[in-house]
Amino acid sequence: DAGVIQSPRHEVTEMGQEVTLRCKPISGHNSLFWYRQTMMRGLELLIYFNNNVPIDDSGMPEDRFSAKMPNASFSTLKIQPSEPRDSAVYFCASSLGPEIGELFFGEGSRLTVL
Amino acid sequence: GNSVTQMEGPVTLSEEAFLTINCTYTATGYPSLFWYVQYPGEGLQLLLKATKADDKGSNKGFEATYRKETTSFHLEKGSVQVSDSAVYFCALSDQGYKLSFGAGTTVTVRA
Repeated sequence: DAGVIQSPRHEVTEMGQEVTLRCKPISGHNSLFWYRQTMMRGLELLIYFNNNVPIDDSGMPEDRFSAKMPNASFSTLKIQPSEPRDSAVYFCASSLGPEIGELFFGEGSRLTVL
Repeated sequence: GNSVTQMEGPVTLSEEAFLTINCTYTATGYPSLFWYVQYPGEGLQLLLKATKADDKGSNKGFEATYRKETTSFHLEKGSVQVSDSAVYFCALSDQGYKLSFGAGTTVTVRA
């Protein structure tokens, strides 16, 4: 069975450019999460969707970050404009429902902003 | 607020050695507790969990017991293998969907 699929796996871009990260959750999962992982701050929850609706975006760093989930099988995280401090690994995860049982993580998108 | 404190790494062991990774938590309610593992180049995956005091989670030879009196959830394995080399994350949830992760402990097992 396919797990959570993220793309791209690696992205190198220059400061000021727009970055779009993509995620396909596991079919049938109703909850989707975007996390950011850095050495300094560890794993941080950026945004949580349930049934395609954003429920909690309190972790989104600032207006440069936006996330959408137009349907149950696709989500994007966009950074515009990107800055060097955005360099991190971004993980998408999905689960069957809002009550935490098991989160299934993708392999992550490693972003480097020069 | 909720938080998780993990033993700092890195931890380096020989094969067949005993592994313990300490985890303590602070929470306002009665959280569920988890251990996730991240193998090199991969996303996190759930290793084990416990949802109430005195529960023991176990998987792949790893165990952890939810100790409310000491607010701890230490991870143990009696005999590690090279394939156990990974980063281990302790986490808690008492708000449904929201997980609070520890900083992670890097474990390296040498043959």
